[in-house]
Amino acid sequence: KAGVTQTPRYLIKTRGQQVTLSCSPISGHRSVSWYQQTPGQGLQFLFEYFSETQRNKGNFPGRFSGRQFSNSRSEMNVSTLELGDSALYLCASSLGAGGNEQFFGPGTRLTVL
Amino acid sequence: AQSVTQPDIHITVSEGASLELRCNYSYGATPYLFWYVQSPGQGLQLLLKYFSGDTLVQGIKGFEAEFKRSQSSFNLRKPSVHWSDAAEYFCAFTGGGNKLTFGTGTQLKVEL
Repeated sequence: KAGVTQTPRYLIKTRGQQVTLSCSPISGHRSVSWYQQTPGQGLQFLFEYFSETQRNKGNFPGRFSGRQFSNSRSEMNVSTLELGDSALYLCASSLGAGGNEQFFGPGTRLTVL
Repeated sequence: AQSVTQPDIHITVSEGASLELRCNYSYGATPYLFWYVQSPGQGLQLLLKYFSGDTLVQGIKGFEAEFKRSQSSFNLRKPSVHWSDAAEYFCAFTGGGNKLTFGTGTQLKVEL
């Protein structure tokens, strides 16, 4: 069974631009969560989607948004990029809405110049 | 506040030596606990998990962890470390949903 895939793997953007990252979960998994990883703040939860509905949201500004499609694939969008948005963005998929282990993708490395 | 603490930022062990990475959590009930490993430039790989039942759990790559409710701890152990175990290790928990709260990580260096 294929693992979690994320595209693109690397991105370079400039301040003020917007970016869309994509995540394809493991086949059959209905939950997708997003995390931001930075050296200063560590791993922080962004949001979770289950069956196309946002179930949970972390403490990030409204510039960070996401959605999930009927095939469970998910996208996250960051608008008006800031230098501090430079990070590794990790996607995790899980079979259900809770009580299950989560499997992570390789991440998308976003650099904002 | 709900949190996970990994007291050791860096640990260096010799190959073949035993390893214990510490993890303490703060949560009002019994959490779901996890250990993940991350190699440079990679995503997170699940080593093991504790949901309920036997407090000593076995994971992949020869790792095990013990849940101790009285100490709010979930320490990761390996009897004999291999050079390929050098990586960063994260302890995490949830209250039952999918929102993981992570510790700050422990960077493991293995000396040959």
